[in-house]
Amino acid sequence: GENVEQHPSTLSVQEGDSAVIKCTYSDSASNYFPWYKQELGKRPQLIIDIRSNVGEKKDQRIAVTLNKTAKHFSLHITETQPEDSAVYFCAAPSGYSTLTFGKGTMLLVSP
Amino acid sequence: DAGVIQSPRHEVTEMGQEVTLRCKPISGHDYLFWYRQTMMRGLELLIYFNNNVPIDDSGMPEDRFSAKMPNASFSTLKIQPSEPRDSAVYFCASSLSPSVAAFFGQGTRLTVV
Repeated sequence: GENVEQHPSTLSVQEGDSAVIKCTYSDSASNYFPWYKQELGKRPQLIIDIRSNVGEKKDQRIAVTLNKTAKHFSLHITETQPEDSAVYFCAAPSGYSTLTFGKGTMLLVSP
Repeated sequence: DAGVIQSPRHEVTEMGQEVTLRCKPISGHDYLFWYRQTMMRGLELLIYFNNNVPIDDSGMPEDRFSAKMPNASFSTLKIQPSEPRDSAVYFCASSLSPSVAAFFGQGTRLTVV
């Protein structure tokens, strides 16, 4: 099955800085990579996703990049704000199976 | 659509008691997932259904756990008897297919004392 590794486990930045979270996956057949944001005490919510036919996707201050050769994908948040503080999860499917989630990254943005 | 709806939001029960968690998926979503989230183990998939049929229950930790989906709009996860180590947040999620983004409910925080 799929193995998803996520780094770092915690990330502290100053407001306005950029934040980057990286994930690696093991199944070369994986073709869809979502990112979730989970605020304290709330549900995971999809914030952006990318399919394997593109290398990068942007949505305002967030972007995701994908390197299929190296089997890794990253979440980039620019101009971070305190409300970006949350736990972020990456995920990848294994073929037509379910999503496997990374262990999560706790992002803390200090004012 | 109101999204995935779970009940109760919080449950505190004594060890040995039966616990039933409930979920209503998004209308039209053929796949329903039950996850458990803890600090130590992260998000774990317990079981998922396709068109009300259980497809993979390999994540169910023990026979004390059971799940049903009697129709397209309702599922339950039951723990009998409950134990303190079952304390966690249980999420239900639904999607159009198993390998694309799922939409999560607000979760049930279970505390077994």
